[in-house]
Amino acid sequence: IAGITQAPTSQILAAGRRMTLRCTQDMRHNAMYWYRQDLGLGLRLIHYSNTAGTTGKGEVPDGYSVSRANTDDFPLTLASAVPSQTSVYFCASSPRGGKSNEQFFGPGTRLTVL
Amino acid sequence: QQPVQSPQAVILREGEDAVINCSSSKALYSVHWYRQKHGEAPVFLMILLKGGEQKGHDKISASFNEKKQQSSLYLTASQLSYSGTYFCGTEGGTASKLTFGTGTRLQVTL
Repeated sequence: IAGITQAPTSQILAAGRRMTLRCTQDMRHNAMYWYRQDLGLGLRLIHYSNTAGTTGKGEVPDGYSVSRANTDDFPLTLASAVPSQTSVYFCASSPRGGKSNEQFFGPGTRLTVL
Repeated sequence: QQPVQSPQAVILREGEDAVINCSSSKALYSVHWYRQKHGEAPVFLMILLKGGEQKGHDKISASFNEKKQQSSLYLTASQLSYSGTYFCGTEGGTASKLTFGTGTRLQVTL
């Protein structure tokens, strides 16, 4: 693989179910991010990690959790999905945490919660 | 707080120029620009750091006025491939996270 991969590509989920979106990068980037994209609202940061073993909250963290056990993987978990979490989710990475680093985006996961 | 982009949408004929503006209410350290084509992931265009630096990328350039907390993206002699949604992302203060604007949809026609 090259770059960032996300799985699944798309998913339809019943409300109340638990779901984990997977993100893997092979660029040895230190920093990783999860965004959601909704029509008219642009990209909003959910959680981020500047390096393996550390995570932080973004603009819209409620209802989501993340972990960063190693450099390559950054899964996003919805503990109990709600319809308002219907969105397109993008994972991104950058070489370093900290300011002014180009972010590379994965292809996205389209999630529908019914 | 999200930066404000203007215009929200613009339609151009091939060869015309366009300017997309990004304005923040907060002091900025840097501004990023990304382009997203329909159904695809955002792709990085350029970063501008405070200092009024202007950058260029082929026929796409940008400026950053840190005093006004504004950045502008200039698309010269637009091509069909320029079509997409353009997002600015801003960094301010001590935070190392990007806050994205709501995007400007650009359509280039023949």
